[in-house]
This record gives sequence, structure tokens and C-alpha cells, in this order.
Amino acid sequence: NAGVMQNPRHLVRRRGQEARLRCSPMKGHSHVYWYRQLPEEGLKFMVYLQKENIIDESGMPKERFSAEFPKEGPSILRIQQVVRGDSAAYFCASSPQDGPYEQYFGPGTRLTVT
Amino acid sequence: AQSVTQPDIHITVSEGASLELRCNYSYGATPYLFWYVQSPGQGLQLLLKYFSGDTLVQGIKGFEAEFKRSQSSFNLRKPSVHWSDAAEYFCAVAGRGGGSNYKLTFGKGTLLTVNP
Repeated sequence: NAGVMQNPRHLVRRRGQEARLRCSPMKGHSHVYWYRQLPEEGLKFMVYLQKENIIDESGMPKERFSAEFPKEGPSILRIQQVVRGDSAAYFCASSPQDGPYEQYFGPGTRLTVT
Repeated sequence: AQSVTQPDIHITVSEGASLELRCNYSYGATPYLFWYVQSPGQGLQLLLKYFSGDTLVQGIKGFEAEFKRSQSSFNLRKPSVHWSDAAEYFCAVAGRGGGSNYKLTFGKGTLLTVNP
């Protein structure tokens, strides 16, 4: 059973470009969570999605960031017009149900903005 | 709002020595409690979790943690550390009410170095 998959693992973007980060949850999991790990900070919750629904995006920056989890295909975290402060590791997690169940984390995408 | 404090940024122990990593939380009631481990360049792996019941929780890789309500703590322990335990350890909580019990709040992590 494959784990949570994220791609790309490393992404380099120039300021002003767009970054698209992909997450495929574990088989049978319909709940996806995105977290961001900034240098010298812990992981921070960004957004919680179910298929075709954003359940909680309270941790998402108000501008430039969006997320989706379509009926078919991976979940996408999109960052428009990236700035240097967006450089971080972005982790996706999935769970089979909502609530405080174990969240299985992917290996992360390390975004570097030059 | 809930918060998690891991007072030790970096701990160094010798292989075979015992280990205790500290975690304190702030929350109005007893939250759901977790310990995760992150190896360099990798994602997070769940070591153990506490939801209710016995306050001493056993996890994978020989780790255990004890929930102490009076101290708002959930410290992680291992009796004998192996070199492969070198990694960063994160304590996390999730609230029990308000429909947001999926939202993990993490501490800033403790980096563990193991000397041969």
C-alpha cells in the first residue's frame, strides 16, 4: 500500500512565478491536510480538504494561496506570484476519516524561491 | 487557542543512554496528543498517540509517553537510544471540541543527536 505521495520533492521558482504542489493521499483516504514548515518554526496547519470540498482553510494566507482536491486526481496547493517568504517545506497528510485520527504524512515538497 | 511547547531545541545523548523529550501544552481541556518523528529530508512518522484511558502510552520503535494532566505534559521516553533514533521529534495536539479536532498544532521540535 503506497503511502502519501507528493511531487515534486524539490521545486525552485523565481519571484513572481507560480508554484503547484501535488499530493496523492493513501489509497482509501478521502481527507487531505496541508501543512507548512517554515525555517526554525514548527509545522503550521494550512487547509483541510475532502473530495471537491474545502472544509477549513483558516491557516491559508489570504492572498496568492489556493488549494483543491478534485473528484479525480491529486490534491493541488497552488501559490501564485511567489515571494521569498514562501520558501518552506510543504507537507501533505491524509486520513481515512475526519477527526483526530492518525494523519499519514508525505515526504514533503521543498520550495525555494530565488 | 491551543499551543505546544517543547523546551529543548537540541538534545545530545550517547547511544544506549535513556532519553526523555519534554512536551507541555496549553488547552482548556485534555486534548488529543501525538508524538511524530522526522528524519532529515523525510516526512513525519507517528510514534504514538493518546486519546483517553491509560496515561502511559506505548508506541513504535520502543518509545513510550506519559500523559500528566496536572502538569499539562506529554513527555516522550526511551530506555535505550539507538543511533538510528537521531532525528527531529515533534509533539502535537488536536482539540476535542468545536469541530476542529483534525487540526494538529505542533511544537517547534527537538533535534536529537546520538553520539556513538
